[in-house]
Amino acid sequence: GAGVSQSPSNKVTEKGKDVELRCDPISGHTALYWYRQSLGQGLEFLIYFQGNSAPDKSGLPSDRFSAERTGGSVSTLTIQRTQQEDSAVYLCASSASGTSLGPSYNEQFFGPGTRLTVL
Amino acid sequence: GNSVTQMEGPVTLSEEAFLTINCTYTATGYPSLFWYVQYPGEGLQLLLKATKADDKGSNKGFEATYRKETTSFHLEKGSVQVSDSAVYFCALNGNNRLAFGKGNQVVVIP
Repeated sequence: GAGVSQSPSNKVTEKGKDVELRCDPISGHTALYWYRQSLGQGLEFLIYFQGNSAPDKSGLPSDRFSAERTGGSVSTLTIQRTQQEDSAVYLCASSASGTSLGPSYNEQFFGPGTRLTVL
Repeated sequence: GNSVTQMEGPVTLSEEAFLTINCTYTATGYPSLFWYVQYPGEGLQLLLKATKADDKGSNKGFEATYRKETTSFHLEKGSVQVSDSAVYFCALNGNNRLAFGKGNQVVVIP
């Protein structure tokens, strides 16, 4: 079946502009995650959704970042007033369940990412 | 909080050499441990995992053993191929997220 898809694959924007990044998880997966991969910081957690609600937004680096998920499926990550330090690859992952403790862990499947460049 | 530490720097080795990438972790509770691989131009893929102490994860000739006493999950492969050239990330789960190490780029020379 189809994996996690993300769009656009590349986005170049000017400092100060807003951007929206989209993630389509694997059908039926209730848990969705956003991560950021940058040269200086490695892979960082941003936000976790279980269904449409986001019980954990603790990884969002500033209030310029927000995310939503509708219909328990597609998610969008919005970055307002982009800064050069926002340049990174934004990765989305989904799993069948948000249960993350013990042997019942459900594997997170990653999308190909969106490479964001802020000029 | 949870964290993962991988050895510093890229790893360059010849085909058929033995590969070891060190990974240690700090965590509360009993996390599951993972190695993810990112081949050039591709997304992150799960390579192997172990869900409890003394478990050994294995896949594609790679192995890693969950060592609770040393809080380690070192990745090994006995004979690498050029096609193993990639970036390898150690990770653990907890608090509804994966915590990743910085990653190690592995370059295998023919």
